[in-house]
Amino acid sequence: DGGITQSPKYLFRKEGQNVTLSCEQNLNHDAMYWYRQDPGQGLRLIYYSQIVNDFQKGDIAEGYSVSREKKESFPLTVTSAQKNPTAFYLCASSRGIQETQYFGPGTRLLVL
Amino acid sequence: SQQGEEDPQALSIQEGENATMNCSYKTSINNLQWYRQNSGRGLVHLILIRSNEREKHSGRLRVTLDTSKKSSSLLITASRAADTASYFCATDAGQAGTALIFGKGTTLSVSS
Repeated sequence: DGGITQSPKYLFRKEGQNVTLSCEQNLNHDAMYWYRQDPGQGLRLIYYSQIVNDFQKGDIAEGYSVSREKKESFPLTVTSAQKNPTAFYLCASSRGIQETQYFGPGTRLLVL
Repeated sequence: SQQGEEDPQALSIQEGENATMNCSYKTSINNLQWYRQNSGRGLVHLILIRSNEREKHSGRLRVTLDTSKKSSSLLITASRAADTASYFCATDAGQAGTALIFGKGTTLSVSS
């Protein structure tokens, strides 16, 4: 069953805590992306990666970090520097950087 | 950075009616894509139209592209309650190696 998975579905963060959102794909895609979506808003690009061991900042990278050690995995860490982390986080992948993107089901991050 | 902008922001129609939503963008593009998002879910790709194409069809969906006006439209014919969702356009900035930019979306509500 090919696809892209995100876990967990809901995540709670305490003050000053770093949390990591998981994103895995078995589509053999080179490119992967992280987006943030706030209520009633569009998608804002946090980070993207075109190839293993390489990634670029998107429009709102401050307070976030990523790694791309394996082709299948692109985890996102929301650091304590991100002061307003409550949002819906979407991961996506594509064969190439401007090709069709396939999205995961999302992770909703809430602050306690 | 805002490239595509959908219009209207919200649209309410009855089942069986047609729904038209528009996307305007600022710079030249290589391709434009439309996605659908059901509430609380990830996005699903609908159609990709390249800059040298004027119209594409997929089932009840028709997408047009007017590069002279820097605009695209998505027409859903004979709408169903299941079409209720948010619809986003995504464009590149005409430069190789840059990620897609999503608009803020049109929220479509189809009532039975």
